[in-house]
Amino acid sequence: GAVVSQHPSRVICKSGTSVKIECRSLDFQATTMFWYRQFPKQSLMLMATSNEGSKATYEQGVEKDKFLINHASLTLSTLTVTSAHPEDSSFYICSARVEQGVGNQPQHFGDGTRLSIL
Amino acid sequence: QKEVEQNSGPLSVPEGAIASLNCTYSDRGSQSFFWYRQYSGKSPELIMFIYSNGDKEDGRFTAQLNKASQYVSLLIRDSQPSDSATYLCAVKLGRDDKIIFGKGTRLHILP
Repeated sequence: GAVVSQHPSRVICKSGTSVKIECRSLDFQATTMFWYRQFPKQSLMLMATSNEGSKATYEQGVEKDKFLINHASLTLSTLTVTSAHPEDSSFYICSARVEQGVGNQPQHFGDGTRLSIL
Repeated sequence: QKEVEQNSGPLSVPEGAIASLNCTYSDRGSQSFFWYRQYSGKSPELIMFIYSNGDKEDGRFTAQLNKASQYVSLLIRDSQPSDSATYLCAVKLGRDDKIIFGKGTRLHILP
């Protein structure tokens, strides 16, 4: 149980392109999903908390107009990297949490999306 | 002070020995603690979670929590080469819903 699917797994595109990444909870509902970014040999950095039916909460230093988050249903959150540039190249990972006993449940991660901007 | 600290390693352990991974955290209000394993190029995979002081065992893995010392550890018994990975300590802060990750400890099991 608690499977999180993320798509696509890899994207290579030209600078200026917008890229959409999907995160789905396959066997549970998730009112809250999380988006992380990880640069090589660095830890996971939380970018934003995605809330179903409301606006996402962004971490300090993360541009909300650059990284658009939509959480339209209880099983799907999307992250769109708008007008991507080479410095946006990174490993983007989403996670979701089973809602029972919300506060203490571990997060389960998708397989990640490796984004390379040329 | 960083919120979650881990020694980056690499920690080299002979096959069959016990690997001990340590983590300290700064938020005294933290209630939930997690260990994730991350292979190179892959996303993190949950290994264990612990909420109460003391030890929690699951197969070859034992998580230990000492809230007074703000310290959480992971022991891996009978280490296998497949255990070679980066181990991330994660802490749910007491003040909100976020989970903060340490930078991870690279573990290398020597065959």
